Amino acid sequence: GDSVTQMEGPVTLSEEAFLTINCTYTATGYPSLFWYVQYPGEGLQLLLKATKADDKGSNKGFEATYRKETTSFHLEKGSVQVSDSAVYFCALALKTSYDKVIFGPGTSLSVIP
Amino acid sequence: ETGVTQTPRHLVMGMTNKKSLKCEQHLGHNAMYWYKQSAKKPLELMFVYSLEERVENNSVPSRFSPECPNSSHLFLHLHTLQPEDSALYLCASSHKMALGQTNPDTQYFGPGTRLTVL
Repeated sequence: GDSVTQMEGPVTLSEEAFLTINCTYTATGYPSLFWYVQYPGEGLQLLLKATKADDKGSNKGFEATYRKETTSFHLEKGSVQVSDSAVYFCALALKTSYDKVIFGPGTSLSVIP
Repeated sequence: ETGVTQTPRHLVMGMTNKKSLKCEQHLGHNAMYWYKQSAKKPLELMFVYSLEERVENNSVPSRFSPECPNSSHLFLHLHTLQPEDSALYLCASSHKMALGQTNPDTQYFGPGTRLTVL
């Protein structure tokens, strides 16, 4: 069935370090891919998305490229800040009778000064 | 602020109580969702309403009863819950797929209701 796998963490990095959070997916058809972020005490917020192969989503210094050949959508940021500490969810969305979204388990990131 | 509000933000209830969670979206969307987020588990989709009709019910126990009176409001009625139902309940909304639209629309989430069942 359709699924999303991502590294579970927790991931702890020093400020200004390089971040990669791996995400791979299994899906029938051609899903759209998303990264959502959840800050402490809040709901999920869309961070970035890509709707077709080779698209690159970017926002707030984060980037991810839709790789159909490797079924991956890895999240990267060149220099993390303390304010980036949050849980990051990779997700795929399929068009059915509604927008069916399947989330990965989430990766907790802590950035220390 | 995502345009989706949820009340209450925190709720503590006994197993014999009846309570309701409320979600309201101000984005003009026509699809709304309830998710359950438990510690150490992936986000679980519970219910989906599209154009005020329920289109998905993911094997959710009957002690959870959703209601969607219009496209802006979504409720989750709770009764005789169990302690294992304690979780963060998240509401989301999006635009329903239009004819010819090939890409799913982004879902916008509320801040959630933290539910504790004693």
